[in-house]
Amino acid sequence: EDKVVQSPLSLVVHEGDTVTLNCSYEVTNFRSLLWYKQEKKAPTFLFMLTSSGIEKKSGRLSSILDKKELFSILNITATQTGDSAIYLCAGISAGGTSYGKLTFGQGTILTVHP
Amino acid sequence: GAGVSQSPSNKVTEKGKDVELRCDPISGHTALYWYRQRLGQGLEFLIYFQGNSAPDKSGLPSDRFSAERTGESVSTLTIQRTQQEDSAVYLCASSFAVEQYFGPGTRLTVT
Repeated sequence: EDKVVQSPLSLVVHEGDTVTLNCSYEVTNFRSLLWYKQEKKAPTFLFMLTSSGIEKKSGRLSSILDKKELFSILNITATQTGDSAIYLCAGISAGGTSYGKLTFGQGTILTVHP
Repeated sequence: GAGVSQSPSNKVTEKGKDVELRCDPISGHTALYWYRQRLGQGLEFLIYFQGNSAPDKSGLPSDRFSAERTGESVSTLTIQRTQQEDSAVYLCASSFAVEQYFGPGTRLTVT
């Protein structure tokens, strides 16, 4: 059974801090790993990582994938209160009847205090 | 164009009643997914439709849950004889390639 585990489950920081969120995965026929930010009901897409060692960057957020060790990290530098959200990672499989099925982790709840 | 829409946004029902949740995907998206998210937990895969292929129903938790999709358009998720443990947010997502676009969800409360 596919499994995605995130850590920590919750994190409380102050504005300006840098945080690192972890995601490890065991996904059959792994294709890609995705990161989402969930503030209200619907998660919004952040990154898709398919190749090892290539950092994806968007403003203060960056992420990298290690396919040998089966994990990914999401870094947020100079955090702001607007970064407070649940951060979800998901592994996506490819091939057979599982193509496109995402397995989500339980999420990391990030709280940024002013 | 418009994003993924879901209705209703909130549904309160009595235990034992049937409910039907609706998802309108983004036009042109061949793939559609249903997920369940219980309070404080991650997203749990329920079912996946891809074009005219047989749906992947491997995530449906019991035979009380079923879903249909007409072609590449609207999908409905039906829960029969609802139980209190069915209370959750039900999210629908659609995609054309790998990236999934989520709807706002339906919050289901079974009393």
